Amino acid sequence: QQQVKQSPQSLIVQKGGISIINCAYENTAFDYFPWYQQFPGKGPALLIAIRPDVSEKKEGRFTISFNKSAKQFSLHIMDSQPGDSATYFCAARHYNQGGKLIFGQGTELSVKP
Amino acid sequence: DSGVTQTPKHLITATGQRVTLRCSPRSGDLSVYWYQQSLDQGLQFLIQYYNGEERAKGNILERFSAQQFPDLHSELNLSSLELGDSALYFCASSRLLQETQYFGPGTRLLVL
Repeated sequence: QQQVKQSPQSLIVQKGGISIINCAYENTAFDYFPWYQQFPGKGPALLIAIRPDVSEKKEGRFTISFNKSAKQFSLHIMDSQPGDSATYFCAARHYNQGGKLIFGQGTELSVKP
Repeated sequence: DSGVTQTPKHLITATGQRVTLRCSPRSGDLSVYWYQQSLDQGLQFLIQYYNGEERAKGNILERFSAQQFPDLHSELNLSSLELGDSALYFCASSRLLQETQYFGPGTRLLVL
C-alpha cells in the first residue's frame, strides 16, 4: 500500500531521443508526486512535481503525465542530452503523514552522444 | 546547491561504534527529514522533525535516534553499528509541513 513501483531499472537513450520512466502506486491517499534527479555523489534534486488533479505538467524538456484512474504517472524527457544522464526517482507523499516521501527504486538513465 | 548542509561528508567507523550525523536546514525551513539510501533498499524515509518535535517515523531502527535543536539543526545518532548500516544518509528540509523537500549532499557512512 505504501509502495511506489518504478520501471525500468535502467535506460539507455540516444541523444535527442525521448526518455520515458514509469511509476505506479496503490495508495489513493497520496496527494503529491515529485520526480527527483540524482547525480553520482550528490543529493537528489527536485526536477518536477504534480498533484493528482492535473493530468499533465510540463517544465522545459520535462513532462509528467498522470493517470489517476490507473494510479500511474510517468516522466518524459524530450530531446534527451548526455547531461541528463543521472538516476531518476519518482516519489509519492501521503496527504496527512507529515510530508514523508515514499520513493521508487530509481532509474539509471544513460544518454549516448 | 540546495542550501541544506550535512557534515561530515564521509565517515568510516567500525562495527559496534556510535556516530552522529549533522544537518543544517535551509534558512527559514522548520521541517527536517532523514533518509537512508542503500543499493538494496533504495531511498528510505527514517524520521521527520518539525520545529523541534518528532512528526513522522519510518522504518528507523531502535539503534538509531534523532533530534532537532532550537536552532533547527538536526542530528541523527547511529549506535551499535553493523556492516549493513553502511549507506548514504540524506537530510532534507522544507519550510513547512507538506512542502517541497530540498536534499543535502549526504553523508556516506562506511562500517568496517
